[in-house]
Amino acid sequence: QVQLQESGPGLVKPSQTLSLTCTVSGGSISSGSYYWSWIRQPAGKGLEWIGRIYTSGSTNYNPSLKSRVTISVDTSKNQFSLKLSSVTAADTAVYYCARGSGYSYSYYFDYWGQGTLVTVSS
Amino acid sequence: SYELTQPPSVSVSPGQTARITCSGDALPKKYAYWYQQKSGQAPVLVIYEDSKRPSGIPERFSGSSSGTMATLTISGAQVEDEADYYCYSTDSSGNHRGVFGGGTKLTVL
Repeated sequence: QVQLQESGPGLVKPSQTLSLTCTVSGGSISSGSYYWSWIRQPAGKGLEWIGRIYTSGSTNYNPSLKSRVTISVDTSKNQFSLKLSSVTAADTAVYYCARGSGYSYSYYFDYWGQGTLVTVSS
Repeated sequence: SYELTQPPSVSVSPGQTARITCSGDALPKKYAYWYQQKSGQAPVLVIYEDSKRPSGIPERFSGSSSGTMATLTISGAQVEDEADYYCYSTDSSGNHRGVFGGGTKLTVL
């Protein structure tokens, strides 16, 4: 059974970089054809797709965040990471990591982490 | 930018059929997926590829898609089905951006 777990600071100052890591257990992050993804949800609001990284290392990002987002993978640690730069209060949200399955052009998230709250505040 | 549109809320009595719609211009070409999210929990996939049900999801959950609209149907809704439901799909750009609908609050009482 695949499991994902987010980790990282729960509090980030405005203008700084938010950094989160997702540790995958129960399977190798480099095996199979999966899209390792980040999704966020502000309190009381809906879900927003941030981006994904394929097992080959190729990435796709939400155009609304693309200039500030980097997703990378560390296969030796079975982890993938999110960096979001120049954060503001609008980036305060629960951040989820998830495994994307399906086709490159039509994929869905079958396994999710429990989510981690990141607050942007001075 | 591409959007998926859902009604903000749907309310039914226990045992009734709940239908939640999701409209999007790319749905004729792209699959729709449905997630259930209960308070304080991560979303759970209840329907994939328009109408398929993952293992462990009760048979009362079903999905369909026609033209630019996808529909999640809960036949004989139960109190424990009360949750937020999100449709999800991908856009038609080369970026294959993931897009969630705004979510529908299902009340069963």
